[in-house]
Amino acid sequence: DGGITQSPKYLFRKEGQNVTLSCEQNLNHDAMYWYRQDPGQGLRLIYYSQIVNDFQKGDIAEGYSVSREKKESFPLTVTSAQKNPTAFYLCASSRKIAGPWPDTQYFGPGTRLTVL
Amino acid sequence: AQTVTQSQPEMSVQEAETVTLSCTYDTSESDYYLFWYKQPPSRQMILVIRQEAYKQQNATENRFSVNFQKAAKSFSLKISDSQLGDAAMYFCAYRSGAGKGANSKLTFGKGITLSVRP
Repeated sequence: DGGITQSPKYLFRKEGQNVTLSCEQNLNHDAMYWYRQDPGQGLRLIYYSQIVNDFQKGDIAEGYSVSREKKESFPLTVTSAQKNPTAFYLCASSRKIAGPWPDTQYFGPGTRLTVL
Repeated sequence: AQTVTQSQPEMSVQEAETVTLSCTYDTSESDYYLFWYKQPPSRQMILVIRQEAYKQQNATENRFSVNFQKAAKSFSLKISDSQLGDAAMYFCAYRSGAGKGANSKLTFGKGITLSVRP
């Protein structure tokens, strides 16, 4: 089946640890995104990538890092510098990032990160 | 910067009835796209419907339709014949139609929780 997978579904981190959230897509999409969702809030963009080996900061990139070594994969690392990392993290992808059509973003099932 | 406002945090509808969810946005752009996403208890975001700003005709997808009022910057979602499975959080989102990169991001409202009464 084509789609976006995220793992793990639940993740627990001790303070001071870095953790990496996985996002994989087999839709042959060019662009991938990471969003953070907090209770009572909409989604906020952390990082996005248009092509392999290229990515840009979103609105709340501090304390996070990403890589895009393969078209299918866009892992997110939550570093110890992120002061309040407990949240729900959603990965999305879209077919292309520019052009006249909206290039709808499709989302994975998400990862719930809790800092102990 | 663009903003998206969903002023109603919660709504409730009787099964088989019709409900309208409100969304307003603020932008200085003339070319943009608007979306409604549904987030059920599983928390996966599911695209419900989308609208291009340059189109005057309101988008429709089965029981879901929008009322797009460009001058008023309003983008409401109407759900007809509500079903129990429609119970979810609904997010309105905006995307710029111009350029690349940062303009491709979605700006979300805070969402509205819809409950469906049997």
